[in-house]
This record gives sequence, C-alpha cells and structure tokens, in this order.
Amino acid sequence: DAKTTQPPSMDCAEGRAANLPCNHSTISGNEYVYWYRQIHSQGPQYIIHGLKNNETNEMASLIITEDRKSSTLILPHATLRDTAVYYCIRSGGAQKLVFGQGTRLTINP
Amino acid sequence: EAGVAQSPRYKIIEKRQSVAFWCNPISGHATLYWYQQILGQGPKLLIQFQNNGVVDDSQLPKDRFSAERLKGVDSTLKIQPAKLEDSAVYLCASSLMVSTYEQYFGPGTRLTVT
Repeated sequence: DAKTTQPPSMDCAEGRAANLPCNHSTISGNEYVYWYRQIHSQGPQYIIHGLKNNETNEMASLIITEDRKSSTLILPHATLRDTAVYYCIRSGGAQKLVFGQGTRLTINP
Repeated sequence: EAGVAQSPRYKIIEKRQSVAFWCNPISGHATLYWYQQILGQGPKLLIQFQNNGVVDDSQLPKDRFSAERLKGVDSTLKIQPAKLEDSAVYLCASSLMVSTYEQYFGPGTRLTVT
C-alpha cells in the first residue's frame, strides 16, 4: 500500500514548468514526503523531501499544503532529460520507502 | 564519488535454476537495500541491512530468497529455485545510515526466468 495518489501520466512542454501533484491525505505527523524519479533503464534517483515547509534545491521545488494532505513537485524549466516516472512517497522512520506506480512525465519538444 | 555497482546487468535462467546478484554500495554507506521491481510497478523493498545486520526482511520470500552482507560492505542476493514470477529488475541501494533521507540506487540487474 503506497498510501499516496498520483496521476498515472502527465505531459509538459520543454522549457515550461512541470507541476506534479500528489495526494497523501492520511499522512502522519512524523512522516516526510519524498520524491524520487526513475529514468528509463536506470535506478530511482532522489529529488527532494520535506516535512511541512516548502523546500527547494537545485533540481526542484516541493510545495506542501498547510494541512499536509497534498504536495506538488515543481520542475521549473523542464528539459527532455526530465522525462521519467516520478514517485511521491510518504515515510516515517527507518527510511522505509514504499513506492507506488508514480506519474509518468513526458516532456515534449 | 563512485556510485552503487551491481552485477550482472542481465541474466536469463530457466525456472528451478538458481541465481545470485552482487552489489557493492557507495563507500562508507552503512545501510544497504535490495528491491524487486516488476515491469510496470514501483520498486518493492525485499531486505534492508544496517552494516551486516538485517533491519527489515519482512517482504523477502524466505523459502527461495536469501541475502547476506558479509563484513558490512558488499552484498549478495540469491534466488533458489527461481520461478517465472521472479522475472524482474533487482535494484540495490545504499544510504549513509538508516536515519539519512537519500538512498542511492544502482542500475539494477534484469532477471528473466523462462
């Protein structure tokens, strides 16, 4: 049970911002939200994580709603290399990641 | 920094045969994970090691799967005997320790059981 809900697929134009939503309405107070992505034929790659504040790093921004029931991963200027499956994961202690089926993001030229 | 190394990258065996996969984590990473990823699904954790001790093996099919991490560095995952439903990509990941947030994944071994 992945315990998060993501759209199965999304498209975005190259150079535009890609906004990937995730619903985690039953998240516990001590659970973080993690985002990983998996490019074809590669292992998953960590993108970002957060607890309740918005976070930004060199790859993406993570916006978490005030009630923590949902979040959005933002890739500010998507490139063709961002085409991948994106996984939103909620996890508490011991780094146990339960992957769902994720969102297949396709960046179109 | 060298990444997580796995071998072989591909393996084809017949059902009821045995197979072993090898993983070398990032140097200094105390925690090591094995995942199974069936086509079209997300990875599923099979076993987690902290140094050479098992932290979680609740989803490891212990009647046919075994894993070890001798000396707290390299790890091997074995399947004996293999079934058709074991066809999947087997991913190894490592992290600095259990409490760190980022897992680093290797490229995986694609197993096909015929």
